[in-house]
Amino acid sequence: NAGVTQTPKFRVLKTGQSMTLLCAQDMNHEYMYWYRQDPGMGLRLIHYSVGEGTTAKGEVPDGYNVSRLKKQNFLLGLESAAPSQTSVYFCASSPIAPGILSGGQPQHFGDGTRLSIL
Amino acid sequence: GENVEQHPSTLSVQEGDSAVIKCTYSDSASNYFPWYKQELGKRPQLIIDIRSNVGEKKDQRIAVTLNKTAKHFSLHITETQPEDSAVYFCAAPNRRGYQKVTFGIGTKLQVIP
Repeated sequence: NAGVTQTPKFRVLKTGQSMTLLCAQDMNHEYMYWYRQDPGMGLRLIHYSVGEGTTAKGEVPDGYNVSRLKKQNFLLGLESAAPSQTSVYFCASSPIAPGILSGGQPQHFGDGTRLSIL
Repeated sequence: GENVEQHPSTLSVQEGDSAVIKCTYSDSASNYFPWYKQELGKRPQLIIDIRSNVGEKKDQRIAVTLNKTAKHFSLHITETQPEDSAVYFCAAPNRRGYQKVTFGIGTKLQVIP
């Protein structure tokens, strides 16, 4: 069981370039999330998915797009990278809604992607 | 959405002392409160969680307490060790649909040998 796997681990882009970050989980989880982590700002939600074929905006979605064509994969795309998108990106998955009334479950995180945009 | 405030942002303790980190939340219906530990350069990992039907939960040197009336929950680490040095995040469900959580800004804990 690999858990949550993110690729790539590091990447340097030039302003205006595009790229896709891949998240794969082998735990059959329904819920998947993309966060960015910046110093002093904790983990901020970019987009999330509650199941195959679904996506929804989080707290900071501008400049990013996502797709969940297969249950195990959640892709994060940057169409035209900007220096403000320099960050560490974490993917996470959860078997059920974290706050479901019957009792939540924790999120499982990947190792992160460190992205620098020059 | 949910508002989660976490204090303090940094905390230094002597090895062997206790450390306490507190989070407050705004949605009285929130029912699940996890704590994550993130070591430098690593992924956040769950260390303990609590559901709203209990007031306290312990796991060896770590405990979490929940006060639903005051809408706050706290992480307690006793007999701290250097390997406890890390950033700790609390989280609470988001009021809209409970499909996501809001994280606190994190507390950087330094345990001084």
